Amino acid sequence: GDSVTQMEGPVTLSEEAFLTINCTYTATGYPSLFWYVQYPGEGLQLLLKATKADDKGSNKGFEATYRKETTSFHLEKGSVQVSDSAVYFCALSEDDKIIFGKGTRLHILP
Amino acid sequence: GAVVSQHPSRVICKSGTSVKIECRSLDFQATTMFWYRQFPKQSLMLMATSNEGSKATYEQGVEKDKFLINHASLTLSTLTVTSAHPEDSSFYICSASSPGLAEETQYFGPGTRLLVL
Repeated sequence: GDSVTQMEGPVTLSEEAFLTINCTYTATGYPSLFWYVQYPGEGLQLLLKATKADDKGSNKGFEATYRKETTSFHLEKGSVQVSDSAVYFCALSEDDKIIFGKGTRLHILP
Repeated sequence: GAVVSQHPSRVICKSGTSVKIECRSLDFQATTMFWYRQFPKQSLMLMATSNEGSKATYEQGVEKDKFLINHASLTLSTLTVTSAHPEDSSFYICSASSPGLAEETQYFGPGTRLLVL
């Protein structure tokens, strides 16, 4: 069945460092792909999404490109901030079901 | 790792009836549970946040009298869709978190697909 695999954390970086969080998926069809972020004590928030191959989602300096050939949707940011410390979830949705990765905790040190 | 279950996984009901969905944390105590709704190929929508022993906090636009949430114990939260209508058909997913686990991460249930005829 469909699944999402993302790199395990925690990931610890210094402020202004480059960030990559890897995400790969398996799916039978053509899913939409998402990155969600969870700040402490809060519910998930949509960070960005892409609905078809080669689409690039972007928001708040984060980017991810839907790569069908490598079944990947890696999250990147050129210069992270302390306020980016959170848990990041990669997810896919086919029809009305959503499947999440296990989440990657990101710590940004000042 | 921490496991969250949902029951039922799929339910079909007639318009006007009520449906209860259970969310259980199987091997940890969940102080906070979240309920989400998923529309086809859309992003997840947070419906409400429930803390054990207190009233749920609903997101703007979510009718609390229609979507009743009860978090009666540290391992169980229920979502009851009252007087269900076809537009309530959706995929409902819960998640649970606990300060005792990997710091404040969420663990997701497998979801419940509701179809209202």
